[in-house]
Amino acid sequence: KAGVTQTPRYLIKTRGQQVTLSCSPISGHRSVSWYQQTPGQGLQFLFEYFSETQRNKGNFPGRFSGRQFSNSRSEMNVSTLELGDSALYLCASSPGDRENYGYTFGSGTRLTVV
Amino acid sequence: DQQVKQNSPSLSVQEGRISILNCDYTNSMFDYFLWYKKYPAEGPTFLISISSIKDKNEDGRFTVFLNKSAKHLSLHIVPSQPGDSAVYFCAASNTGKLIFGQGTTLQVKP
Repeated sequence: KAGVTQTPRYLIKTRGQQVTLSCSPISGHRSVSWYQQTPGQGLQFLFEYFSETQRNKGNFPGRFSGRQFSNSRSEMNVSTLELGDSALYLCASSPGDRENYGYTFGSGTRLTVV
Repeated sequence: DQQVKQNSPSLSVQEGRISILNCDYTNSMFDYFLWYKKYPAEGPTFLISISSIKDKNEDGRFTVFLNKSAKHLSLHIVPSQPGDSAVYFCAASNTGKLIFGQGTTLQVKP
């Protein structure tokens, strides 16, 4: 059974640009969550999508947005990149029902903003 | 406001001994707790979880204990192996989103 796939693995962008990251969940999983990991702040929740709808949201500015497609694949977009956005972005998928916290993480996308 | 805290940034133990990783939380509404293991440049790997209605869950060498009155959970690894060396994160949830602690780096020496 294929795991959670995130693309690309590495990305270098310039301040002010925008970036789109992609996540393909485990087959059959309907929930996709995004997390940001930085040395100073640790792992922080960005948002969760379930059946193409944002179900949960963390405390990040509006520059961070996402969407989910009918096949459960998800994309995350960051506009007007800042140096502080440099981080490992992780995607996690789960079946989606509230009784099952079976989150499986992908390997992440390492974003560097210069 | 850090709702989940791992107060020990690092822990070093000898191979074959017990490793005990600790985690404290402040939100009494959390109903599910998880432990993840992480290597650099990889995503976290799920280890073990526990529902708030239980006080212990065991899976092989890994046991998680939950003390709700103290808002404390711990992960016991017995016996510890060099391959267990990694960063361990505890996480808590009540709405589907995971709140992570800052992590504890475990080093198991041969």
